[in-house]
Amino acid sequence: AQSVTQPDIHITVSEGASLELRCNYSYGATPYLFWYVQSPGQGLQLLLKYFSGDTLVQGIKGFEAEFKRSQSSFNLRKPSVHWSDAAEYFCAVLSQGGSEKLVFGKGTKLTVNP
Amino acid sequence: DVKVTQSSRYLVKRTGEKVFLECVQDMDHENMFWYRQDPGLGLRLIYFSYDVKMKEKGDIPEGYSVSREKKERFSLILESASTNQTSMYLCAGAGTGYNEQFFGPGTRLTVL
Repeated sequence: AQSVTQPDIHITVSEGASLELRCNYSYGATPYLFWYVQSPGQGLQLLLKYFSGDTLVQGIKGFEAEFKRSQSSFNLRKPSVHWSDAAEYFCAVLSQGGSEKLVFGKGTKLTVNP
Repeated sequence: DVKVTQSSRYLVKRTGEKVFLECVQDMDHENMFWYRQDPGLGLRLIYFSYDVKMKEKGDIPEGYSVSREKKERFSLILESASTNQTSMYLCAGAGTGYNEQFFGPGTRLTVL
C-alpha cells in the first residue's frame, strides 16, 4: 500500500531563513505527488504538484519541490521564509488503482520566529 | 474561483444525536471526499464518492455514512454521535484525471 512519511512533526525557522520540509513516499509506479498548506483554522490549499517531466516543480507563494526517484523523496523548499508561511504542510501521493484518492502524510507544523 | 463550502464552521452536538455535515462544490466535479483531521494523525479518508449515488468506504468509515443525491452536494452523517468523533472534518472535490483536490474550510465538530 502507498504511504507518505513526513519525518519532522514540527520545524522552527527564523524569518528570512531558508526552509526544507522532507517527504518520503512508498509507491510502486511513477507517483503523482502534491504539497498542500493549511493555515490555522482553514482548509488545505495546493502549493504544487508533480505528475511527470521536470523534477523541479515551482509552486505558489515562492515554494518549489524536487522529485528524486532514487531517494523516493519530494522535499519542499523555500529560499527565504516569511512570517505568513507559518502553517501546517502536508505531502500527499495519489493512490494507485485509478481512483482519485490521496494518501497524506501526517503533516509538518512550521513556526516562524521574527 | 473554484469553491467548496461546508455548512458550518463550528458545531456542538450531544452524544447520541444524529449529525449532518453538508458540503457543496461549484466545480461540477465528479469526485468528492470526506476526511477527518486529528492532531498527529493527519488527514484520514472517511468516505468518497465518484458519481451521484455512488460511494466507497475510505480508511475509517465506522460510525459514519454518506449521501450524494446531487452532483454538487455530498453529506456526511453521524448516525449516533460519540465523543470520539470530536474532530475537524474536511470536504474536498476533484475532477477526473489526477487533478488536485479542492478543500472546504472545514467543520470543527465537538460532541459532548
